[in-house]
Amino acid sequence: QSALTQPPSASGSPGQSVTISCTGTSSDVGGYNFVSWYQQHPGKAPKLIIYQVSQRPSGVPDRFSGSKYGNTASLTVSGLQAEDEADYYCGSYAGSNNFGVFGGGTKLTVL
Amino acid sequence: EVQLVESGGGLVHPGRSLRLSCTTSGFTFGYYAMSWFRQAPGKGLEWVGFIRSEAYGGTTEYAASVKGRFTISRDDARSIAYLQMNSLKSEDTAVYYCTRFGVHLPDTWGQGTLVTVSS
Repeated sequence: QSALTQPPSASGSPGQSVTISCTGTSSDVGGYNFVSWYQQHPGKAPKLIIYQVSQRPSGVPDRFSGSKYGNTASLTVSGLQAEDEADYYCGSYAGSNNFGVFGGGTKLTVL
Repeated sequence: EVQLVESGGGLVHPGRSLRLSCTTSGFTFGYYAMSWFRQAPGKGLEWVGFIRSEAYGGTTEYAASVKGRFTISRDDARSIAYLQMNSLKSEDTAVYYCTRFGVHLPDTWGQGTLVTVSS
């Protein structure tokens, strides 16, 4: 059982927007602005696409955006494209005595 | 360009040991914490362990599932992180990823190395 809760699946048609949630507690997601999102295509390594809740690394399309409200962080993918089909994982800082917590992953399907 | 390259995976019998290496380049290794994740076939990511930079004591933390069996170490002179795995079990079968820590969370991942524990 993962510390952060993500829906197992999400889907959308090309061009649509989809939002994936990541729910934790006040000790992790709600307590710090250190939430990251990772994209993993089949057979590939995870790739950082959002850090510090809403920041995008260089090279990540602005179709990907992150936000947080209370104990829930969200990843929104706008203008869905076929190549966005992948697994998405969230992670959150949880204090200096805990090296962080992760979600169980969400499989995004582009219909 | 930041690069992390894992090596040392393979087939190993239950109860035996294996050491993975994570050879890095493109950044000042000693400044960063490093961690290891794993992903069992068809499963999600699992945090294995973490080693702080020497500036923060080089201390380690481990997931309960591997504590006492796995050890993470680092060689800052060679820019390499290690994962020593002892008393391996079938449930340790997974792809193992090395990651660099950015601000409190991983920001760069290696390509992974497969460890298969089977008789």
